[in-house]
Amino acid sequence: GQNIDQPTEMTATEGAIVQINCTYQTSGFNGLFWYQQHAGEAPTFLSYNVLDGLEEKGRFSSFLSRSKGYSYLLLKELQMKDSASYLCAAMEYGNKLVFGAGTILRVKS
Amino acid sequence: DVKVTQSSRYLVKRTGEKVFLECVQDMDHENMFWYRQDPGLGLRLIYFSYDVKMKEKGDIPEGYSVSREKKERFSLILESASTNQTSMYLCASCPTGLPGNTIYFGEGSWLTVV
Repeated sequence: GQNIDQPTEMTATEGAIVQINCTYQTSGFNGLFWYQQHAGEAPTFLSYNVLDGLEEKGRFSSFLSRSKGYSYLLLKELQMKDSASYLCAAMEYGNKLVFGAGTILRVKS
Repeated sequence: DVKVTQSSRYLVKRTGEKVFLECVQDMDHENMFWYRQDPGLGLRLIYFSYDVKMKEKGDIPEGYSVSREKKERFSLILESASTNQTSMYLCASCPTGLPGNTIYFGEGSWLTVV
């Protein structure tokens, strides 16, 4: 089976940096995804890691450690529009994509 | 642009009714998924399919079935809808191989069972 854990909620201030952690245990591993989801909308892709290390894309970065079963999403220069749910997902062998429960991020001014 | 289209955005059905949720993708993807999303529980995988006529159970298949007769279409079927199946249903697709950023979601179908 699989287990993906991430914090339920986080609050941060506009302009700050926030790190959302995710730990996973899966049956095989074929990559780790981060998605952003605003209320009432479908998830949108943020990042994909399959090798250890940091992937940077503008204000967002994602890190993966396969040996530790650990990933984080780093959001810099927070904006109010970054208030959303952030979903960590792992792809197991056989293309089975499983999600954590999501982290609700609230950005305050 | 890749498009994943879910046939119904909002549905209201009665307990015991048979419900079909349709999903169509236009990028020749091998893999298709059905999830339901409930507050505090995230996206839970119901079924997925890696090829035509192939299906695999996800984590919560009970009360659901699926059909993949054509590569572009993946249907979720609720044989006898119950109130605990009131939820938002999301379809997704991706190609086989390095998935990278190539997993696409539909807009979601909000189902209410009364």
